[in-house]
Amino acid sequence: GAGVSQSPSNKVTEKGKDVELRCDPISGHTALYWYRQSLGQGLEFLIYFQGNSAPDKSGLPSDRFSAERTGGSVSTLTIQRTQQEDSAVYLCASGARDKYQETQYFGPGTRLLVL
Amino acid sequence: GEDVEQSLFLSVREGDSSVINCTYTDSSSTYLYWYKQEPGAGLQLLTYIFSNMDMKQDQRLTVLLNKKDKHLSLRIADTQTGDSAIYFCAEKRSGYSTLTFGKGTMLLVSP
Repeated sequence: GAGVSQSPSNKVTEKGKDVELRCDPISGHTALYWYRQSLGQGLEFLIYFQGNSAPDKSGLPSDRFSAERTGGSVSTLTIQRTQQEDSAVYLCASGARDKYQETQYFGPGTRLLVL
Repeated sequence: GEDVEQSLFLSVREGDSSVINCTYTDSSSTYLYWYKQEPGAGLQLLTYIFSNMDMKQDQRLTVLLNKKDKHLSLRIADTQTGDSAIYFCAEKRSGYSTLTFGKGTMLLVSP
């Protein structure tokens, strides 16, 4: 079946502009995560959605970052007034729970370059 | 210090075994994961181990967990050039939904 998809694959923007990154999770997955992967760094957790519960926003680095998940499916990560340090790969994952634990399935990421 | 630590780079020859090591700091971790990231791609789950286990084998992959030392390793037998990628170790702590990742180990397999 289809995996997690993200769009755009690549985004180049100018400092100060707003950007929107989209994530389409695997159908039926109730959990959705956003991570940021900077050059030479591991994955930095940004935000987590689980069903209809209030999202866990504890990883968002500043109030310029926000995310929504509409209808429990598609999610959009918005970065306002982008800065050069926002340049990174933004990864989305959706989660499915088996009997024991939840497995996260990752999308290919959106590569953001802020000039 | 870092929550999850890995060596940054490992180089092996094709056909040899590769061992990628990881240390973590939170003793409440319930599950530990290994993910693989190929160039330009997202992360692919390779395997995971529950914290009350000390070994898990899956085809060419063997995961060893030393809970006392908080040390996790991934052994890849008969390493192939297609195994060249970045390997991430991640821990899931009790009571948390998110994973804490290491910075990744780049594995380079030469012919």
